[in-house]
Amino acid sequence: AQSVTQLGSHVSVSEGALVLLRCNYSSSVPPYLFWYVQYPNQGLQLLLKYTSAATLVKGINGFEAEFKKSETSFHLTKPSAHMSDAAEYFCAVSDLQGKLIFGQGTTLQVKP
Amino acid sequence: DADVTQTPRNRITKTGKRIMLECSQTKGHDRMYWYRQDPGLGLRLIYYSFDVKDINKGEISDGYSVSRQAQAKFSLSLESAIPNQTALYFCATSDRGPGNQPQHFGDGTRLSIL
Repeated sequence: AQSVTQLGSHVSVSEGALVLLRCNYSSSVPPYLFWYVQYPNQGLQLLLKYTSAATLVKGINGFEAEFKKSETSFHLTKPSAHMSDAAEYFCAVSDLQGKLIFGQGTTLQVKP
Repeated sequence: DADVTQTPRNRITKTGKRIMLECSQTKGHDRMYWYRQDPGLGLRLIYYSFDVKDINKGEISDGYSVSRQAQAKFSLSLESAIPNQTALYFCATSDRGPGNQPQHFGDGTRLSIL
């Protein structure tokens, strides 16, 4: 069975600081991995996805994630946080049918 | 207009009432999903449908039913609502294909059951 664990339900950074949101997955098959962002009162938007073409995946709004098979990780990073990055972030793994299994979510707070 | 539209956006109702949440999409996708979001639990799959004649239970289907009226419409029903079904509900769609197809979400329905 596939699963996703996001380490840290809340992360707080200062504006301009590095953002690092952690995600570890468990999958018996080569995984498809996704990061979604949820702004207040909105649905989830796709940030980026890993589909085995490249281990470093670039997404929207300056975010990127690196797939590390040996560590079963897919951590999300952004070099410099902006106030507008404050949101909830979800890591998800897809099964072969396309059904998503989500992590618990991480709320990112950005302090001025 | 939004690609995935959920109605209503907010609903407050009483225990025991029957409730229907509706979802429509203009993306032309075959696959549709219903999730519920609870704080600290992420999103959990309730039901999914890969085409009009296909309905499948997800992780937490007890107490819910669905209807796929057309390719573009997928509704979720709570036959007799109970307070622990208070949550944020999302509809999503995806194109057919392998598991690398991203899902596209509506803005959600906030449901409160008193």
